[in-house]
Amino acid sequence: GENVEQHPSTLSVQEGDSAVIKCTYSDSASNYFPWYKQELGKGPQLIIDIRSNVGEKKDQRIAVTLNKTAKHFSLHITETQPEDSAVYFCAASPSGASGGSYIPTFGRGTSLIVHP
Amino acid sequence: NAGVTQTPKFQVLKTGQSMTLQCAQDMNHEYMSWYRQDPGMGLRLIHYSVGAGITDQGEVPNGYNVSRSTTEDFPLRLLSAAPSQTSVYFCASSSPGTGLTFFGPGTRLTVL
Repeated sequence: GENVEQHPSTLSVQEGDSAVIKCTYSDSASNYFPWYKQELGKGPQLIIDIRSNVGEKKDQRIAVTLNKTAKHFSLHITETQPEDSAVYFCAASPSGASGGSYIPTFGRGTSLIVHP
Repeated sequence: NAGVTQTPKFQVLKTGQSMTLQCAQDMNHEYMSWYRQDPGMGLRLIHYSVGAGITDQGEVPNGYNVSRSTTEDFPLRLLSAAPSQTSVYFCASSSPGTGLTFFGPGTRLTVL
């Protein structure tokens, strides 16, 4: 089955700095890579995703990159703000016609702390 | 659309008691799943379903039971609660075509 490794487990930055979270996956059948943000006491919310036919995707201050050859993908947050403080999860899954269970496998999460 | 709903939000049980965590989705997703979240362990898959009448085990299925009689509902049953089942439980639904997965707000369960 799929195995997703996520680093670091904790990331502390100053407001305005950039933050980078990295994930690796093992199953070459995975072709969909979402990122989730979980605020305290809430369920994970999808913030951005990338598919295997794209190398990079941006949405305002957040961006994701994907290296299929190396099987790793990253989340980049620029100009961090205190409200970015949360736990972030990466995930990998097959989708569409690629086969597999289509149930995403999650990394263990990164606790991002943005200091004002 | 309500998305994915879960009840109850909080629950306290005594060891040996049984209960059912409810989950419903209104997005007509074929796939539904249950995760538990423990500190430092991320989201661990308990059981999942790829359609009505079809369920399968995930990473940590012991002590839990599921059934899927309708597309909308996917209840999780604790047969005989143990303190090790103290956790936050999340239900999710997924679209196999797009891979999009949506989570419910969670149920915080404490077993004494």
